[in-house]
Formats: sequence, C-alpha cells, structure tokens
Amino acid sequence: QSVLTQPPSVSAAPGQKVTISCSGSSSNIGNNYVSWYQQLPGTAPKLLIYDNYKRPSGIPDRFSGSKSGTSATLGITGLQTGDEADYYCGTWDSSLSAGVFGGGTKLTVL
Amino acid sequence: EVQLVESGGGVVRPGGSLRLSCAASGFTFDDYGMSWVRQAPGKGLEWVSAINWSGGSTTYAGSVKGRFTISRDNAKNSLYLQMNSLRVEDTALYYCARGDSGASPDRFDYWGQGTPVTVSS
Repeated sequence: QSVLTQPPSVSAAPGQKVTISCSGSSSNIGNNYVSWYQQLPGTAPKLLIYDNYKRPSGIPDRFSGSKSGTSATLGITGLQTGDEADYYCGTWDSSLSAGVFGGGTKLTVL
Repeated sequence: EVQLVESGGGVVRPGGSLRLSCAASGFTFDDYGMSWVRQAPGKGLEWVSAINWSGGSTTYAGSVKGRFTISRDNAKNSLYLQMNSLRVEDTALYYCARGDSGASPDRFDYWGQGTPVTVSS
C-alpha cells in the first residue's frame, strides 16, 4: 500500500486531455513539493514536473502540474500514442523522514 | 551530458550481501544529494535511501533501515549502496537518481538505467 494514492489506470483518445490525481496527507503533499515522473515501457523514470508545477527543460507544455492542500494533479493535453506510459507522483514525507511515491497510473491512449 | 551508470547487481542468496555502485559524470557531483530508488518486477517505484552532498547526512526507508548503508566518494564521483541481510523482497531493479543538495529529496531529475538484484535460494 503506497503512502500516496493514484488511480491504477486512466485512458483517453488521441488529442484529448487527461488528468491523474495523487492524494496524500499533511506530512507529505501538504507540506512538501510534489514531482511527477513518466516511465515508458522498459525504461528508467523521467522527471516531468517538479516543485508542484515546474517543467524541466525539454518537457513540453502539454504536461502541467498543480497542487491543492494534500492532493496534486498531473494534466496532459493533446494526447499522443507516445504518451502511453506509467506515471508516478512523488514527494518527501516529513513524518516518515522518507521519500514516497504513488503506486503509479497506467495511461492508455485509445 | 549527465550520466549515471549503476553496477554491482546480481543474484544472491537470502541473508547475503551485495554492494551497488553508481558512477556519475557530466555534472559537479558534490553539489547534489543522491538517492537509490528500486522497482520490484511489475511493481511501482520505492525510494530506498538518500545521502546529502557531503555524505554527512543519510536517510533510509523503514524497510531497509539497519540492513542497507548508503555512502559516496566525491573524489571518485561515485555513489554506493551496501546491502546486507538481503531478503527475497529486496529483489528489484535498483536505480541511482540525482536529487537536490540534501538528504530529504522531493524530486529526482536524472536517473540511471538501473542494476538488477535478485535474492533467491
């Protein structure tokens, strides 16, 4: 059971928009920055979003992040088949003194 | 170009030990904290341990505390994970990942390709 809760799967058609939620608590999301990762099949995770909403250089603005209270959301617009991947949220948990991830969400672009 | 290359994985019996290494290049290694993150076959990501830029501060997941030790050699641009008393549930692909300067990272901006560890009798 992961400390952060994500839906196991989401799906949408090419060109559409999808959101992935990440729910936590005051000891993690509520008081720390959230990051998001994309893991394409057979590859290492890649940072998509950090500090709740910032995009690293090279990440297209189709990817966005937001945070409200103890929840965070990843948004992806203009879906492409190449976006099919597992997506993870992550942060630090101040009570556990440990890094924590969500269980991952598998995105299917129909 | 930032590169992180892990090595040292393999097959080990329960109760055995392994030492993982991560060779870093393309950035000023001692400006950054580093972490190990693992992924069991078909499962999600699990943070294992972090170390700050100097090596003076370390943190561990509860599942490995007392069994694993993270360390670094800034002169060699290298990160290590000494894994003792290994259990079947430690079987995973172990990634080296770059964090911020501290030992309480909330993001990992570069990842290696991972080194596999299998614990089996």
